[in-house]
Amino acid sequence: EPEVTQTPSHQVTQMGQEVILRCVPISNHLYFYWYRQILGQKVEFLVSFYNNEISEKSEIFDDQFSVERPDGSNFTLKIRSTKLEDSAMYFCASSTGQDEQETQYFGPGTRLLVL
Amino acid sequence: AQSVTQLDSHVSVSEGTPVLLRCNYSSSYSPSLFWYVQHPNKGLQLLLKYTSAATLVKGINGFEAEFKKSETSFHLTKPSAHMSDAAEYFCVVTRYSGGGADGLTFGKGTHLIIQP
Repeated sequence: EPEVTQTPSHQVTQMGQEVILRCVPISNHLYFYWYRQILGQKVEFLVSFYNNEISEKSEIFDDQFSVERPDGSNFTLKIRSTKLEDSAMYFCASSTGQDEQETQYFGPGTRLLVL
Repeated sequence: AQSVTQLDSHVSVSEGTPVLLRCNYSSSYSPSLFWYVQHPNKGLQLLLKYTSAATLVKGINGFEAEFKKSETSFHLTKPSAHMSDAAEYFCVVTRYSGGGADGLTFGKGTHLIIQP
């Protein structure tokens, strides 16, 4: 069964450094998403992406965040200058976008720790 | 705006007994509702989704949920718990009216513990 994959599984970085989290969505999917879950808190929507542009973003997704689909298979989330509060589990998801009650398929997550 | 409240942060049941995980939602639109499960070190897996075709929705692994508009509830049930059901369960609603680009709004999760 096709799966969403994410790399790395864990990332440790220093405050102020840039990080890039990588995702490979399911191959025939057209919509891509990033979510995050700070330890002990809810999973929160960050951004959705379709047709090489952002479709929707939450108030969390500020100028330090960016997303890109650099090639036909990868979908990345870049955090330009990490802060301590960016420490979280980051989930990538994808969907076909073909019906109204859309199912999003999630990857296993990248656990980011900012020191 | 949409919101989801999972009424229990932890639920503990004995193996072979029924499971009830409670969820209430708030939505400005006719909601699309989902239950996702997360096993340790795994991604979020869809258990079931409410598509408005039927109020009782059957999912994988023997789980089902009933949409009750009058109570704004979407509780998850299973007649007989199995040890492999131990996981974190999330009740989820779409942020807007349902569509490809819509982000999801998650509840805080319910940790299901199965006692042998």
